[in-house]
Amino acid sequence: DAGITQSPRHKVTETGTPVTLRCHQTENHRYMYWYRQDPGHGLRLIHYSYGVKDTDKGEVSDGYSVSRSKTEDFLLTLESATSSQTSVYFCATGQGLGQPQHFGDGTRLSIL
Amino acid sequence: RKEVEQDPGPFNVPEGATVAFNCTYSNSASQSFFWYRQDCRKEPKLLMSVYSSGNEDGRFTAQLNRASQYISLLIRDSKLSDSATYLCAVPAGSGAGSYQLTFGKGTKLSVIP
Repeated sequence: DAGITQSPRHKVTETGTPVTLRCHQTENHRYMYWYRQDPGHGLRLIHYSYGVKDTDKGEVSDGYSVSRSKTEDFLLTLESATSSQTSVYFCATGQGLGQPQHFGDGTRLSIL
Repeated sequence: RKEVEQDPGPFNVPEGATVAFNCTYSNSASQSFFWYRQDCRKEPKLLMSVYSSGNEDGRFTAQLNRASQYISLLIRDSKLSDSATYLCAVPAGSGAGSYQLTFGKGTKLSVIP
């Protein structure tokens, strides 16, 4: 696959705490994406990046922010976690128009 | 019509059977389509890409019907290891949206001994 590493793989935290998830890629792909996957909803795009420091909102961006200071790293931050943000989070990368995306192993996040 | 729709299943088929899933999409400008396989508690993995009328890879065949706006995935001689959820993905729109994919919710397949 595209050499995509997500960290942490699992996290349990409390409501109101900040949480940062990291995605690291080794394939030099321009595009990076954060999704969440929930039963009954499938994969939903949170934010995506089309280059260093270039990011945009996806379908479910409220309560999330992202940063991309280097091509290989894309961070997802929950400023003040809520129980509704309990989910499985996937990072993906892509090479551009018409190309598929490749996924990291995912992060299981539980907000108590 | 929702952007990407799939029959959620589950499809329960015996080993050796042929099974087909459909995925309908609303973006008529799409030029590329993808099938992913997702095992329980794992990440989606690319199974096939479709850029023209179809694609074949061993026991797997993907077909595109542009007129009716659907793609299908055919699995021949089903194996127990084919049990998984199959997601289809279609570019979300034109321009900047074409760098995004919209995923269906997936079709669950269980191959039974």
